[in-house]
Amino acid sequence: QVHLQESGPGLVKPSQTLSLTCSLSGDSISSGNYYWNWIRQRPGKGLEWIGYVFHTGATHYSPSLESRLTVSVDTSSNTFSLRLTSVTAADTAVYYCARAAFDPFSRYFDSWGPGTLVTVSS
Amino acid sequence: EIVLTQSPDTLSLSPGERATLSCRASQSLGTRFLAWYQQKSGRTPRLLIYGAFTRATGIPDRFSGSGSGTDFTLTITRLEPEDSAVYYCQHYSNQLPWTFGQGTQVEIK
Repeated sequence: QVHLQESGPGLVKPSQTLSLTCSLSGDSISSGNYYWNWIRQRPGKGLEWIGYVFHTGATHYSPSLESRLTVSVDTSSNTFSLRLTSVTAADTAVYYCARAAFDPFSRYFDSWGPGTLVTVSS
Repeated sequence: EIVLTQSPDTLSLSPGERATLSCRASQSLGTRFLAWYQQKSGRTPRLLIYGAFTRATGIPDRFSGSGSGTDFTLTITRLEPEDSAVYYCQHYSNQLPWTFGQGTQVEIK
């Protein structure tokens, strides 16, 4: 059974860079069967898809975050990461990692990490 | 970007009643590219329905999905107290970005 786990600082200062890692167990990123995604949820708000990375390193980002966002993969450690630059209070959110199948008919999010709260504050 | 609009924002019903949640897409999603998730307070979202009407593993048959094109529905029959949650629809068509609806809060009286 697949397990995803987010990790990273819970507090980031404004204008700095938010960096998170998602560790995967029970599956291999190198299998090429899934897209590996980041999704966030601002306090009291809905879900927002941020972007994904494929095992090849190919990415696709939300247009609203594209200029500040990098999502990368490390197949040797079976992890993928998010890097968001120039953060503001509006980036305060619970950040989830999740997987979506490569099959175009199955690209729903079937497994999620528990989420990690990142607060942007000085 | 495909915009998903859910209605109503909040639904307050008694145990045993039926809940009908709507999700309308700004562009056609065909019959396959729509999922529903349940998120209980403070918890991670859980996949309920994919392909508009297929229940995910372990989801009770009280939950059913229907619809196609731009109009989709999640129906919860015989509501139980544990069904109190926010429900989100999400599209996963090849037209990125993938987006979620704003959510419908289901309250059990």
